[in-house]
This record gives sequence, structure tokens and C-alpha cells, in this order.
Amino acid sequence: NAGVMQNPRHLVRRRGQEARLRCSPMKGHSHVYWYRQLPEEGLKFMVYLQKENIIDESGMPKERFSAEFPKEGPSILRIQQVVRGDSAAYFCASSGAAPNYGYTFGSGTRLTVV
Amino acid sequence: GDSVTQMEGPVTLSEEAFLTINCTYTATGYPSLFWYVQYPGEGLQLLLKATKADDKGSNKGFEATYRKETTSFHLEKGSVQVSDSAVYFCALTSGNTPLVFGKGTRLSVIA
Repeated sequence: NAGVMQNPRHLVRRRGQEARLRCSPMKGHSHVYWYRQLPEEGLKFMVYLQKENIIDESGMPKERFSAEFPKEGPSILRIQQVVRGDSAAYFCASSGAAPNYGYTFGSGTRLTVV
Repeated sequence: GDSVTQMEGPVTLSEEAFLTINCTYTATGYPSLFWYVQYPGEGLQLLLKATKADDKGSNKGFEATYRKETTSFHLEKGSVQVSDSAVYFCALTSGNTPLVFGKGTRLSVIA
């Protein structure tokens, strides 16, 4: 009865490298959400996906960031050519239906860009 | 757009004190309201929720009542414990929109 699984828990990248964050939703959940949390700040919505579809990417930076949720396998948040300002905790959440049922969150991936 | 405003932290209380964390919101329509808790180094956990006006959500001694007239969803607990030390987030969703979070309120409970 695993919850939302995110990996890696910690990721260190040098400036200019690519960061790839993975999220496996709870069993039976088909809605995935990615949020970013900066130190001492709340969570900022990035993107909302269902299987093979991006539903809402209004919070995603236009450049360098992309997300996918393929038919098979985990959801991936990809950050190309990382910069120091990308350092943050990235949380994935899933839900089984509409958001008003509440989300289940993963433990997050803490990205550090050096 | 939709937004959530929480009281600024940090909040420091002695064990067994009464807790209130204020939360007000702005939303179109009739949102569902949530409180989430985040312990150090972990993700967010759903604490309680309310989906319509006058509903009271409750869990682990925490309560919050959906007040449409004051657009509020204040979190309360009658007697806090050291283990309640965490960051608390108020959040809402209107229909099928992704959750919108407040900035969080850090609670520290000292023995």
C-alpha cells in the first residue's frame, strides 16, 4: 500500500546539467501535480498532468522546465541547464479524482545546484 | 485568482496551550478547504478538510470550520503537544483547479 514515491530524495547538480525528478503516484491515482517549495515559503503550483496529458502548466517556467506522465511508468519533471535559483524542494502529489478530494504528497526531492 | 492568506509565524506555545492559526481565502464559487501539516524533511500530510459552508473538519484533536460569511477556515486545537511542532498550510481548490496553498505557519511547542 505504497504512497506517492519520489526519487531521488536528494539530488545535486552542477550549473548547466540536467535534473530529472521522478514520481510514482499512489496505486489507482491518475492525477499528478508538481509543486516547488523554496526555503521558508509555501508551495507553488507548477503543473498538473493526467496519463499522457498535460492539463494545466500555468505555473511552469516557459524555458528549461518540462513534465510528462507517460502511459507506463512514473511522471518525470525535467529541468535542463539548471541554475542556482532552481535549488528547492520539489513535491509531487496525486489524487484519484477531482482535486477537492485532497492530495497525497510524496516526500519530495531536494535539488541543490552547485 | 484564488488565494489563501495565513497568519505569519513562527508561533511558539507551551505544551497544553490553546492553538489558533488564522486562514482566510479569496475564491470564485464555493471552494473546498484543507489544512495540511509538514514535519521537518517530509512531504505534506492532509490534516483535515471541509467541502461546504458550515462543515467542520477534524482530526487528531485539530478542528476547522468553513465560514463562508467571513471567508475563513481557522485551525484550532485545545491542547497542543510537543509532537505538534510542524509547519501548517491552509489550501483551497475551486472545482477541478489545482490546490492553492498559503505560505505556511511554523508552530513550535515547548515542554
